[in-house]
Amino acid sequence: AQTIHQWPVAEIKAVGSPLSLGCTIKGKSSPNLYWYWQATGGTLQQLFYSITVGQVESVVQLNLSASRPKDDQFILSTEKLLLSHSGFYLCAWSPQVSGNTLYFGEGSRLIVV
Amino acid sequence: AQSVTQPDARVTVSEGASLQLRCKYSYSATPYLFWYVQYPRQGLQLLLKYYSGDPVVQGVNSFEAEFSKSNSSFHLQKASVHWSDSAVYFCALSMYGGSNAKLTFGKGTKLSVKS
Repeated sequence: AQTIHQWPVAEIKAVGSPLSLGCTIKGKSSPNLYWYWQATGGTLQQLFYSITVGQVESVVQLNLSASRPKDDQFILSTEKLLLSHSGFYLCAWSPQVSGNTLYFGEGSRLIVV
Repeated sequence: AQSVTQPDARVTVSEGASLQLRCKYSYSATPYLFWYVQYPRQGLQLLLKYYSGDPVVQGVNSFEAEFSKSNSSFHLQKASVHWSDSAVYFCALSMYGGSNAKLTFGKGTKLSVKS
């Protein structure tokens, strides 16, 4: 069975500090990977997606970047956090073939102070 | 452009009562439709999905949803709710036809089950 693990579970960071959130998928070869962001009490918005190692597409601009250094790993980062980055970050995967169904991780909660 | 509307931000029902959570979508063709559930401080779990075939789809934990093309709706239903069903429910659609299985979500409906 496929498992998706996100880290860290939660972070409290200062404005202007760097951030790195990670996601690892086990049990699935060459998945499509996604980052979603959920503002507190809000809906979900897709940030990035990747269909292969080293290739990441940006969907919205939020002064964040993403990378896929390995087939099973997806990293979200920024060098300078803003207050508006606070929220819940969710990593998801889908199969490459007929990959319309997304399976989400447990999420990483970020509070920027 | 595609959109998903969940008209009820909050729904409260008594344990054992039946439930319907409403979802309306806007899209020119038939999209992939999904219902996800989010328990407090957790990620999203897939309840069920629909693309074609029988308009009534069964999901996990006795949830089902009915697709209506004429009404552009995909309402979630459960015959008898349990207190553990309290969560936020999201309806979503996908127009997947390329490399990005982008989901458009509704704003969610927070379900509270009274014991």
